[in-house]
Parts: sequence; structure tokens; C-alpha cells
Amino acid sequence: NAGVTQTPKFRILKIGQSMTLQCTQDMNHNYMYWYRQDPGMGLKLIYYSVGAGITDKGEVPNGYNVSRSTTEDFPLRLELAAPSQTSVYFCASSYSGGRLRTDTQYFGPGTRLTVL
Amino acid sequence: GESVGLHLPTLSVQEGDNSIINCAYSNSASDYFIWYKQESGKGPQFIIDIRSNMDKRQGQRVTVLLNKTVKHLSLQIAATQPGDSAVYFCAEKPWSYDKVIFGPGTSLSVIP
Repeated sequence: NAGVTQTPKFRILKIGQSMTLQCTQDMNHNYMYWYRQDPGMGLKLIYYSVGAGITDKGEVPNGYNVSRSTTEDFPLRLELAAPSQTSVYFCASSYSGGRLRTDTQYFGPGTRLTVL
Repeated sequence: GESVGLHLPTLSVQEGDNSIINCAYSNSASDYFIWYKQESGKGPQFIIDIRSNMDKRQGQRVTVLLNKTVKHLSLQIAATQPGDSAVYFCAEKPWSYDKVIFGPGTSLSVIP
């Protein structure tokens, strides 16, 4: 299993540009998450999804959008990039359900985004 | 409450010593706790977890202690090695939540 993969690894955007950060997991996890991490800081939840077709906002959703059309994929969309969105973005997935409730999140390697 | 934008506290230990990283969690309804390790330039990785029906759990060189009375969690690393240098995050999950709550993290620096 590849686990959680993210593309691209690095990206530089100009103010006002848009882009999609890709995230795929091959562990058949139902839950997926997007976090951002600013330098020297902790993780802030942007959006999460408890299954295909279901998404919900986290702590810092403004300026972002998500969709979850399949179990495997959870792309994050930035519509009008701003310097405040310069950060490292991590995607994660976990399985939660029934009697097996692990809730352990598995993280991707991250995407480093710079907005100039 | 939720993790806030605080700069990371740091802990420096001598190689070979034991390390103790502490975490105060926020929600009395949390029944599952996880420690993650994040090395520079990488995503967080699972280290060890513990459920609220336990107060201690041991892994390889790591031990997690849970004190529900004071809502405190600690991670003990035995015989700390240079490869243990990283940021360590605790996380809690209330039984009714769909998401975990991450702590602000502690930066561990191992002095050779």
C-alpha cells in the first residue's frame, strides 16, 4: 500500500491564482482530512469528510473548498490564492466505524505552498 | 479548547537520557488519545495510542501515561536517541466527534 499520497510536493502561486491540491489514499479509509501547518506551529483543520459525498468545515475553511466523490480521493481547492495561504498542507485519512474504531490518522508527506 | 496558533514549546535532552513530553487535553468526553511524531519536512507519524479505560500503555522505548482526573497525557521516551529529535503532537478524540483535536506540539531536541 502506498498509504496517503499528495501532489504536488511544492508549488508557488501568484496572488489570485487558483489550484487544486490532490490527495489519494489506498487504505479504504472512510474519513479524510485536510490540515495546514504554518512554520513552527501546530496543525489546523481546514475540512474533513466522513465518507464519499459528505464534507464538513474544520477550524479554518475560508478560502478553500473540497469535494469527495470517491472513497480514495479528497482534493482541496484554492480559488483565489492569498499570501496568508502560504503554508504546508497535509492530507490524512483514518477508519472509524462499527466495533473497530481506531481513529488513528495516517498522514501524507505534505504540499509546500508559497503564494507571492 | 481547539489547538490555537501558539509557537511550539521546546525540550532539550541529552542523548541516552529519558524524555518526558507532557500534554494537557481539553475535553472531558475524550476517550481516545494518540501521540504523533513529526520529523522535519515530513508528515506526522503515529507513535502510540491509548484508550480511556487504560492509564498506561507501553511500546518500544515509548510509554504513554493517561491521568483522566487532571486531563493529562504524557509520552515517555527511554534512552533518547538523535533520531528522536522531532515535534511531538498529542491528540484527543471525544467519543461523539468526527475529528481529533491536536495539541500545539512540543519540539524535542536531542543533544549528542
